[in-house]
Amino acid sequence: QVQLVESGGGVVQPGRSLRLSCAASGFSFSLYAMYWVRQAPGKGLEWVAVISYDGTDKFYADSVQGRFTISRDNSKNTLFLQMSSLRPEDTAVYYCATSITVPGGAFDIWGRGTMLTVSS
Amino acid sequence: QSALTQPASVSGSPGQSITISCTETSSGVGGYNSVSWYQQHPGKAPTLMIYDVSHRPSGVSNRFSGSKSGYTASLTISGLQAEDEAHYYCSSYVSNKSVFGGGTKLTVL
Repeated sequence: QVQLVESGGGVVQPGRSLRLSCAASGFSFSLYAMYWVRQAPGKGLEWVAVISYDGTDKFYADSVQGRFTISRDNSKNTLFLQMSSLRPEDTAVYYCATSITVPGGAFDIWGRGTMLTVSS
Repeated sequence: QSALTQPASVSGSPGQSITISCTETSSGVGGYNSVSWYQQHPGKAPTLMIYDVSHRPSGVSNRFSGSKSGYTASLTISGLQAEDEAHYYCSSYVSNKSVFGGGTKLTVL
């Protein structure tokens, strides 16, 4: 079945870097844009970034612009989020998501999320 | 940059109907027809309930409906059930970027 599985979260010190991964299965990954959405503990959802189906177009939230890089490997059905200069306010559950049966911008498929804690 | 404002909480009794509003509070125009709504239970990933203002994905109960008037989109849940108790988030997609509302906690009394 259609599935997204995030990994790579953990505890990291402020200023350090970390890469998250999202493994996709059950659909033609290379045909769909992919997204990262995050949720700080006890807070609401925050859209982070999007990458086009072929990786040529990428857009970011202002809060992560210049620090985070979204990428994908269509040969491995995997989405990535490279995070650098991490801040305590980046602490959140990071979800990958996509739009398969609905228009882009609405997310009908979500992973379970991976938790990132930025703390010294 | 677009911002979406939702009430922090709403409540209703089983069988009743409730409506959650989502108001765009910025100069953003156009693309506001790309409004979607998500349900999130504690500790779970969000679930898409409505897209493009009023369309329901396959499998979503017809008790959930969406609409829009001016700069305010709304999610209506009819025939409230205990399982509807959750957080609800609106989202808008404009110029390749998405934004979420702050979320509304629905309590079923």
